[in-house]
Amino acid sequence: AQSVTQLDSQVPVFEEAPVELRCNYSSSVSVYLFWYVQYPNQGLQLLLKYLSGSTLVESINGFEAEFNKSQTSFHLRKPSVHISDTAEYFCAVSDPSYQKVTFGTGTKLQVIP
Amino acid sequence: NAGVTQTPKFQVLKTGQSMTLQCAQDMNHNSMYWYRQDPGMGLRLIYYSASEGTTDKGEVPNGYNVSRLNKREFSLRLESAAPSQTSVYFCASSPVYNEQFFGPGTRLTVL
Repeated sequence: AQSVTQLDSQVPVFEEAPVELRCNYSSSVSVYLFWYVQYPNQGLQLLLKYLSGSTLVESINGFEAEFNKSQTSFHLRKPSVHISDTAEYFCAVSDPSYQKVTFGTGTKLQVIP
Repeated sequence: NAGVTQTPKFQVLKTGQSMTLQCAQDMNHNSMYWYRQDPGMGLRLIYYSASEGTTDKGEVPNGYNVSRLNKREFSLRLESAAPSQTSVYFCASSPVYNEQFFGPGTRLTVL
């Protein structure tokens, strides 16, 4: 069985400050890892994904995440946040042999002007 | 290319009423999913369909039924709605690697 833990339910941060949203997973096999973003009253959108290869993956809007197999983590970082980054962020894990994805409980990022 | 569409966007039901939530995708994906989202609980899988003609239970299937009508459409039915089914429902579809594409959601309130 696989699981995802997002320890922080809410993260307030000032505009232009750096942020890290934490994600830890457990799985008995190799995994695919994802971060999704949900803006208010919308569905989830894929932010970035790790399938294989380089452990550092980046999104088009400045977020990055690093796959750390020894610590079973996939933390999301951004060096300087903007008001428009205010949203809820979900970490997710899947076993490549299955057609199911397990989501974390989400972290609400609140960017303060 | 509309992606994943869901109808209706909002619905209010009385306890015991039935309804069907509709979902369609135009991306030729094999897999489709129904989730519910409740505060503090993330997304929980209700049912999924790995391919046309197959459906399987997810984490919270009780009180729901699904139909994979064809490759494009995957509907979710509540036969006798209960207040505990008040939630936001999301449909998603997936090509390879389990990357999921989500619809805009249906906000359901059961009184």
